[in-house]
This record gives sequence, C-alpha cells and structure tokens, in this order.
Amino acid sequence: EAQVTQNPRYLITVTGKKLTVTCSQNMNHEYMSWYRQDPGLGLRQIYYSMNVEVTDKGDVPEGYKVSRKEKRNFPLILESPSPNQTSLYFCASSLKGPYNYGYTFGSGTRLTVV
Amino acid sequence: QQPVQSPQAVILREGEDAVINCSSSKALYSVHWYRQKHGEAPVFLMILLKGGEQKGHDKISASFNEKKQQSSLYLTASQLSYSGTYFCGTAIYGGSQGNLIFGKGTKLSVKP
Repeated sequence: EAQVTQNPRYLITVTGKKLTVTCSQNMNHEYMSWYRQDPGLGLRQIYYSMNVEVTDKGDVPEGYKVSRKEKRNFPLILESPSPNQTSLYFCASSLKGPYNYGYTFGSGTRLTVV
Repeated sequence: QQPVQSPQAVILREGEDAVINCSSSKALYSVHWYRQKHGEAPVFLMILLKGGEQKGHDKISASFNEKKQQSSLYLTASQLSYSGTYFCGTAIYGGSQGNLIFGKGTKLSVKP
C-alpha cells in the first residue's frame, strides 16, 4: 500500500531533551516536507526537500533540523525542544514539487513538550 | 502571503450546496484542495494549474479564476461524509518551488 509512515504517533517529552520524528514513504517520491498544525493557524511549513541531499527552509524553521540522506526517509529533529513546539506534526510527500503535484500526508505525530 | 479562506465555518443540511473560497494577494502558479476529518491527516482532493480551469469528481469541483489569484471549491448535494475542515494550499508565482502555503481552513459540518 502506498503510504507515508510517521513515528511515533504520540510523544510527550521534557524541555531540552533531543528528539527525532521519523518519516518514510514507499512511493519513490522525490519531494518531502514537514508541516506543523496548530488550532486556528492551519498548516505551516517547517522544511522541505526537493530530492536527496537537497533541503530548504519553509515558513517556520526555527528550532528544527532535517536531513535527507535517502530518498525514502526525511526525519525531523528537535535538538532542544521547547513548550512552544507542542503541536501536531505532519510529514508529506509528492512525486515532485507541490507546484504540480498533490501531497500524500502521513498520519501525524502529536508532540507535547512540558 | 497566507491565502485567505472564507467562510471560516459553515453548517449545512444534507443535500444543500456550499462554496468555499481561497484568495491570495499574489498571482498563483497552482492551487491545491484538501479535506481533513477530525483526528486524521489531510487528504488530497485536487490541484488546479491553469487560469480558468475547472475540475471535479463526484459532487465536489473547483475553479481557478483567470487572474489566478482566487479559487473556489464547490460541494453540491452535500452528504454527511463531506464533513471536515477544507484547506487550500497555494504555490506562488516566482516563489520557492518547494513552498506550499495553506490557508487557515474552513470547517464544514453537514447535519442529517
């Protein structure tokens, strides 16, 4: 089944403790991206990757890191999480960039930082 | 640069029609539409690429105006399954190729 898999689905952590949220797709998509969703704000783009080893900032990149060493994986790293990073996170992929192709989203990761 | 969606929320009875608008202050290369049900991930509905384009499947369709700054999503003869939050995503002419900016969403509730 074609899908984007995120792990974990739920995560509670403490301020400052480094964490990684994994994202993997099995559709051979070139493009992957991370969004966060907060009530009343919609989906805001954190980082994206047009292809392997090519990453760029979205609209809200502060406090996050990403890497794209393999085509299928695009992990999101929070090196020193803070409470304002409490949010619902979605990974998305598309065949190529979103200018011409729609997204497939992962199931989401609900992160709470205390 | 975030597109403006209207209305913010709408309540319908089964069988009624609805229109959701998405407006940008900048010319758009393309517009996406997604539906998100409570507790689930957004699901892709369609993408519009050309000014004047209209697209649809089943009873959900969308248009992209000639100036490519506005798109509308049309839901006709609504069903209970249409309930959810609808988001437009916009790709701006001259913007970064990987940057898709979403509106804040329109919550649609369909009642029996």
